[in-house]
Amino acid sequence: GESVGLHLPTLSVQEGDNSIINCAYSNSASDYFIWYKQESGKGPQFIIDIRSNMDKRQGQRVTVLLNKTVKHLSLQIAATQPGDSAVYFCAEPPDNYGQNFVFGPGTRLSVLP
Amino acid sequence: NAGVTQTPKFQVLKTGQSMTLQCAQDMNHNSMYWYRQDPGMGLRLIYYSASEGTTDKGEVPNGYNVSRLNKREFSLRLESAAPSQTSVYFCASMSSRNKVSNSPLHFGNGTRLTVT
Repeated sequence: GESVGLHLPTLSVQEGDNSIINCAYSNSASDYFIWYKQESGKGPQFIIDIRSNMDKRQGQRVTVLLNKTVKHLSLQIAATQPGDSAVYFCAEPPDNYGQNFVFGPGTRLSVLP
Repeated sequence: NAGVTQTPKFQVLKTGQSMTLQCAQDMNHNSMYWYRQDPGMGLRLIYYSASEGTTDKGEVPNGYNVSRLNKREFSLRLESAAPSQTSVYFCASMSSRNKVSNSPLHFGNGTRLTVT
Protein backbone atom coordinates (compact mmCIF):
# COMPACT_ATOMS: atom_id res chain seq x y z
CA GLY A 1 0.00 0.00 0.00
CA GLU A 2 0.92 3.64 -0.03
CA SER A 3 3.19 4.84 2.68
CA VAL A 4 4.39 7.98 4.30
CA GLY A 5 7.75 7.64 5.95
CA LEU A 6 10.53 9.62 7.53
CA HIS A 7 14.19 9.62 6.54
CA LEU A 8 15.69 9.91 10.03
CA PRO A 9 14.45 8.42 13.28
CA THR A 10 16.32 10.86 15.55
CA LEU A 11 17.58 14.39 15.27
CA SER A 12 19.59 16.36 17.82
CA VAL A 13 20.01 20.12 17.44
CA GLN A 14 21.47 22.89 19.53
CA GLU A 15 19.05 25.30 21.13
CA GLY A 16 18.65 28.27 18.85
CA ASP A 17 19.57 26.41 15.67
CA ASN A 18 17.09 25.57 12.95
CA SER A 19 15.69 22.03 12.66
CA ILE A 20 14.68 20.23 9.50
CA ILE A 21 12.59 17.08 9.62
CA ASN A 22 11.94 15.18 6.41
CA CYS A 23 9.14 12.99 5.13
CA ALA A 24 8.82 10.96 1.94
CA TYR A 25 5.53 9.85 0.48
CA SER A 26 4.80 7.35 -2.24
CA ASN A 27 1.31 8.25 -3.45
CA SER A 28 1.80 10.74 -6.25
CA ALA A 29 -1.93 11.52 -6.16
CA SER A 30 -1.72 12.82 -2.59
CA ASP A 31 -2.84 16.40 -2.36
CA TYR A 32 -2.83 17.21 1.34
CA PHE A 33 -0.34 16.62 4.13
CA ILE A 34 -0.31 17.28 7.85
CA TRP A 35 2.52 17.59 10.38
CA TYR A 36 1.98 16.53 13.98
CA LYS A 37 4.05 17.01 17.13
CA GLN A 38 3.78 14.45 19.91
CA GLU A 39 5.30 15.26 23.28
CA SER A 40 5.97 12.54 25.80
CA GLY A 41 2.77 11.43 27.48
CA LYS A 42 0.53 13.47 25.21
CA GLY A 43 -1.51 12.97 22.08
CA PRO A 44 -0.39 14.11 18.63
CA GLN A 45 -0.86 17.85 18.20
CA PHE A 46 -1.62 19.41 14.84
CA ILE A 47 1.16 21.80 13.79
CA ILE A 48 0.62 22.76 10.18
CA ASP A 49 -0.79 21.40 6.96
CA ILE A 50 -0.18 22.00 3.28
CA ARG A 51 -2.13 21.42 0.10
CA SER A 52 -0.51 20.20 -3.09
CA ASN A 53 -1.20 23.46 -4.88
CA MET A 54 1.36 25.06 -2.57
CA ASP A 55 5.13 24.61 -2.36
CA LYS A 56 5.56 26.32 0.98
CA ARG A 57 3.48 27.30 3.96
CA GLN A 58 4.61 29.20 7.01
CA GLY A 59 3.33 29.21 10.53
CA GLN A 60 4.72 30.51 13.77
CA ARG A 61 8.41 29.45 13.67
CA VAL A 62 7.51 26.52 11.42
CA THR A 63 7.62 26.18 7.67
CA VAL A 64 6.54 23.21 5.60
CA LEU A 65 8.01 22.68 2.15
CA LEU A 66 6.48 20.37 -0.43
CA ASN A 67 8.40 19.01 -3.40
CA LYS A 68 5.94 17.10 -5.54
CA THR A 69 8.58 16.19 -8.11
CA VAL A 70 10.43 13.95 -5.67
CA LYS A 71 7.45 13.32 -3.39
CA HIS A 72 9.08 14.85 -0.37
CA LEU A 73 8.03 17.26 2.32
CA SER A 74 9.93 18.80 5.17
CA LEU A 75 9.17 20.63 8.39
CA GLN A 76 11.51 23.43 9.32
CA ILE A 77 11.55 24.79 12.86
CA ALA A 78 13.31 28.11 13.32
CA ALA A 79 15.31 28.92 16.45
CA THR A 80 14.61 25.55 18.03
CA GLN A 81 13.68 25.71 21.70
CA PRO A 82 13.67 23.08 24.46
CA GLY A 83 9.89 22.96 24.21
CA ASP A 84 10.24 21.72 20.66
CA SER A 85 11.63 18.40 21.88
CA ALA A 86 9.12 15.81 20.74
CA VAL A 87 8.36 13.23 18.07
CA TYR A 88 7.27 14.75 14.78
CA PHE A 89 5.45 12.83 12.10
CA CYS A 90 3.73 13.58 8.85
CA ALA A 91 0.31 12.25 7.89
CA GLU A 92 -1.79 11.91 4.80
CA PRO A 93 -5.58 11.79 5.13
CA PRO A 94 -7.58 9.08 3.36
CA ASP A 95 -9.68 9.71 0.31
CA ASN A 96 -12.78 8.83 2.27
CA TYR A 97 -13.96 7.37 5.53
CA GLY A 98 -13.26 3.83 4.45
CA GLN A 99 -9.54 4.34 4.46
CA ASN A 100 -7.10 5.06 7.19
CA PHE A 101 -4.82 8.02 7.56
CA VAL A 102 -1.27 7.12 6.63
CA PHE A 103 1.12 8.11 9.38
CA GLY A 104 4.87 8.23 9.25
CA PRO A 105 6.76 6.44 12.06
CA GLY A 106 8.10 9.72 13.45
CA THR A 107 11.37 11.55 14.06
CA ARG A 108 12.42 12.27 17.61
CA LEU A 109 13.79 15.79 17.94
CA SER A 110 16.11 16.42 20.88
CA VAL A 111 17.12 19.99 21.67
CA LEU A 112 20.54 20.27 23.28
CA PRO A 113 21.28 23.14 25.70
CA ASN B 1 -12.63 24.82 24.33
CA ALA B 2 -11.31 21.47 25.55
CA GLY B 3 -11.02 19.75 22.13
CA VAL B 4 -10.95 15.96 22.53
CA THR B 5 -11.21 14.65 26.09
CA GLN B 6 -10.43 11.07 27.04
CA THR B 7 -11.05 9.27 30.31
CA PRO B 8 -9.49 7.62 32.16
CA LYS B 9 -5.87 8.70 31.67
CA PHE B 10 -4.48 5.48 33.12
CA GLN B 11 -5.95 2.03 33.72
CA VAL B 12 -4.66 -1.34 34.85
CA LEU B 13 -6.77 -4.41 34.15
CA LYS B 14 -6.41 -8.09 34.81
CA THR B 15 -6.79 -10.50 31.91
CA GLY B 16 -10.46 -11.13 31.25
CA GLN B 17 -11.74 -7.93 32.82
CA SER B 18 -13.79 -5.49 30.79
CA MET B 19 -13.77 -1.73 30.60
CA THR B 20 -14.95 1.20 28.50
CA LEU B 21 -12.75 4.06 27.36
CA GLN B 22 -14.64 7.31 27.02
CA CYS B 23 -14.08 10.05 24.48
CA ALA B 24 -15.87 13.33 23.92
CA GLN B 25 -15.21 16.23 21.54
CA ASP B 26 -16.61 19.73 21.68
CA MET B 27 -15.66 20.85 18.17
CA ASN B 28 -18.90 19.72 16.50
CA HIS B 29 -16.93 17.24 14.38
CA ASN B 30 -18.72 14.60 12.37
CA SER B 31 -16.06 11.90 12.36
CA MET B 32 -14.46 10.19 15.32
CA TYR B 33 -11.72 7.59 15.53
CA TRP B 34 -10.04 5.22 17.96
CA TYR B 35 -6.34 4.44 17.54
CA ARG B 36 -3.83 2.44 19.49
CA GLN B 37 -0.17 3.36 19.59
CA ASP B 38 2.48 0.79 20.33
CA PRO B 39 6.27 1.23 20.30
CA GLY B 40 7.61 0.78 16.78
CA MET B 41 4.13 0.34 15.33
CA GLY B 42 2.88 3.86 14.96
CA LEU B 43 -0.82 4.68 15.11
CA ARG B 44 -3.19 1.90 14.12
CA LEU B 45 -6.88 2.45 13.54
CA ILE B 46 -9.21 0.30 15.63
CA TYR B 47 -12.66 1.66 14.73
CA TYR B 48 -14.07 4.84 13.32
CA SER B 49 -17.41 6.57 13.09
CA ALA B 50 -18.07 8.61 9.97
CA SER B 51 -21.11 10.25 11.51
CA GLU B 52 -23.52 9.85 14.38
CA GLY B 53 -25.15 6.44 14.16
CA THR B 54 -22.48 4.74 12.08
CA THR B 55 -19.38 2.79 13.01
CA ASP B 56 -16.89 0.79 10.97
CA LYS B 57 -13.90 -1.43 11.58
CA GLY B 58 -10.41 -0.18 11.08
CA GLU B 59 -7.13 -2.00 10.80
CA VAL B 60 -7.14 -3.81 14.17
CA PRO B 61 -10.74 -4.20 15.44
CA ASN B 62 -10.54 -7.66 17.04
CA GLY B 63 -11.25 -7.63 20.76
CA TYR B 64 -12.93 -4.22 20.70
CA ASN B 65 -16.38 -2.74 20.29
CA VAL B 66 -17.45 0.87 19.93
CA SER B 67 -20.52 3.00 20.44
CA ARG B 68 -21.19 6.40 18.91
CA LEU B 69 -23.45 7.62 21.67
CA ASN B 70 -24.17 10.98 20.04
CA LYS B 71 -22.28 13.48 17.92
CA ARG B 72 -19.95 14.36 20.79
CA GLU B 73 -19.17 10.96 22.29
CA PHE B 74 -17.48 7.82 20.97
CA SER B 75 -16.63 5.02 23.41
CA LEU B 76 -14.34 2.01 23.04
CA ARG B 77 -15.07 -1.18 24.96
CA LEU B 78 -12.80 -4.09 25.76
CA GLU B 79 -15.07 -7.00 26.63
CA SER B 80 -12.34 -9.38 27.83
CA ALA B 81 -8.99 -7.69 28.12
CA ALA B 82 -5.84 -9.49 27.00
CA PRO B 83 -2.18 -8.59 27.59
CA SER B 84 -1.86 -7.91 23.83
CA GLN B 85 -4.20 -4.97 24.37
CA THR B 86 -1.68 -3.21 26.57
CA SER B 87 -1.20 0.02 24.68
CA VAL B 88 -1.87 3.73 24.58
CA TYR B 89 -5.30 4.48 23.12
CA PHE B 90 -6.05 7.73 21.35
CA CYS B 91 -9.38 9.12 20.34
CA ALA B 92 -9.48 11.61 17.49
CA SER B 93 -12.04 13.63 15.62
CA MET B 94 -12.26 15.39 12.28
CA SER B 95 -14.77 17.82 10.88
CA SER B 96 -15.01 16.52 7.36
CA ARG B 97 -15.79 13.08 5.98
CA ASN B 98 -13.18 13.21 3.25
CA LYS B 99 -10.04 15.04 2.35
CA VAL B 100 -11.67 17.26 -0.24
CA SER B 101 -12.11 19.90 2.41
CA ASN B 102 -8.69 19.08 3.85
CA SER B 103 -9.24 18.94 7.58
CA PRO B 104 -6.79 17.41 10.06
CA LEU B 105 -7.41 14.92 12.82
CA HIS B 106 -7.50 16.33 16.34
CA PHE B 107 -6.34 13.95 19.06
CA GLY B 108 -6.99 13.53 22.76
CA ASN B 109 -4.15 12.94 25.20
CA GLY B 110 -4.69 9.21 25.40
CA THR B 111 -5.50 6.43 27.84
CA ARG B 112 -2.57 4.32 28.98
CA LEU B 113 -3.84 0.79 29.48
CA THR B 114 -1.93 -2.08 31.02
CA VAL B 115 -3.38 -5.59 31.03
CA THR B 116 -1.68 -8.03 33.38
